[in-house]
Amino acid sequence: DTEVTQTPKHLVMGMTNKKSLKCEQHMGHRAMYWYKQKAKKPPELMFVYSYEKLSINESVPSRFSPECPNSSLLNLHLHALQPEDSALYLCASSSINYEQYFGPGTRLTVT
Amino acid sequence: RKEVEQDPGPFNVPEGATVAFNCTYSNSASQSFFWYRQDCRKEPKLLMSVYSSGNEDGRFTAQLNRASQYISLLIRDSKLSDSATYLCVVKANTGNQFYFGTGTSLTVIP
Repeated sequence: DTEVTQTPKHLVMGMTNKKSLKCEQHMGHRAMYWYKQKAKKPPELMFVYSYEKLSINESVPSRFSPECPNSSLLNLHLHALQPEDSALYLCASSSINYEQYFGPGTRLTVT
Repeated sequence: RKEVEQDPGPFNVPEGATVAFNCTYSNSASQSFFWYRQDCRKEPKLLMSVYSSGNEDGRFTAQLNRASQYISLLIRDSKLSDSATYLCVVKANTGNQFYFGTGTSLTVIP
């Protein structure tokens, strides 16, 4: 099973809302990632968790707050977002040989 | 200089054609290399890892040239279903940082 699941599939939120994106994998992978992808651009790395600890934060604004409750779950908490934060948010996990498996993404629109 | 450079295309090829994509990377210490395929409005999917000796999976062949710091993907006998964006990905030599090329758009025409 090489499945990474993400919820919700779509999210529309206002600039004052607080919401969370969720990601789950059951492949036993110990590294998990959040990426942001704009149309016709490659994914941009936001955060990396390795063994449930935050190992990379690519200077992401504090309105994005990641959380890794356990080795299978990854959350991204959103607060006071801007319209330019509208994008596809992808979660991924990677195997011991660094092959990354992506979830289907959450398409976020900030109004 | 970007960590990974990739020709964005687009490549428009007839069915049955052979098409090749290249990517160059800047860090000679990089150890792991991958090709991903991304369909419109979908997530990237791993197509193949790229091994030092080169590797083949059906119609797809991936090669690594460490001396010139590039990786390539060859698709033989193109099918309509091969139409997608192909992303090359290079892992940093330390940690879990991955660098993506800009992606190459391929359209296979009937």
